[in-house]
Amino acid sequence: AQSVTQPDIHITVSEGASLELRCNYSYGATPYLFWYVQSPGQGLQLLLKYFSGDTLVQGIKGFEAEFKRSQSSFNLRKPSVHWSDAAEYFCATHTGGFKTIFGAGTRLFVKA
Amino acid sequence: GAVVSQHPSWVICKSGTSVKIECRSLDFQATTMFWYRQFPKQSLMLMATSNEGSKATYEQGVEKDKFLINHASLTLSTLTVTSAHPEDSSFYICSARDTLPGGFNYGYTFGSGTRLTVV
Repeated sequence: AQSVTQPDIHITVSEGASLELRCNYSYGATPYLFWYVQSPGQGLQLLLKYFSGDTLVQGIKGFEAEFKRSQSSFNLRKPSVHWSDAAEYFCATHTGGFKTIFGAGTRLFVKA
Repeated sequence: GAVVSQHPSWVICKSGTSVKIECRSLDFQATTMFWYRQFPKQSLMLMATSNEGSKATYEQGVEKDKFLINHASLTLSTLTVTSAHPEDSSFYICSARDTLPGGFNYGYTFGSGTRLTVV
């Protein structure tokens, strides 16, 4: 079954530092992959998505992600983190039935 | 862009009562909507898939008689938590699949969620 794994429960970075959030997927074919951000008590906002084509995907808010088939990864990156980026980040995929399967999430803390 | 409106944002109800949560697609038609549940500090778990004009499909372990889903129009799906109990307290989020023409060029849009507290 398709799934995604986020190995880091939480990450702390300093404001202005670079960020990389890890996501590994499990699927034989090319998966559909997404990154969402959730602020406390809020819904989800789509940051970016990958379906096919260019493996480096640009998203909103300065985020990007790179699909690496050889590593079964779809890591999210940002060159310089802002305090407002502190939130929960979910990697997700979906099944042929278009059900979204979420990873466990990674909580990002940003220190001044 | 596509917008999904979810109401109410939060609700407190007494144990044994029922609560209805609405999920509306404001600027697109959504033939399929999804309902998720999220416990504190946990990920989202899919509860059911709501299809316009037909019965919802529930995930394993989700009580369909407790979580009633109605998708009567292309812009509205409702989740009713019947005879709510404190263990039903959770964050419920809906999402809608934007039915754009041309195949696989769509996105999922999520509502802002509903915090349900049963006392």
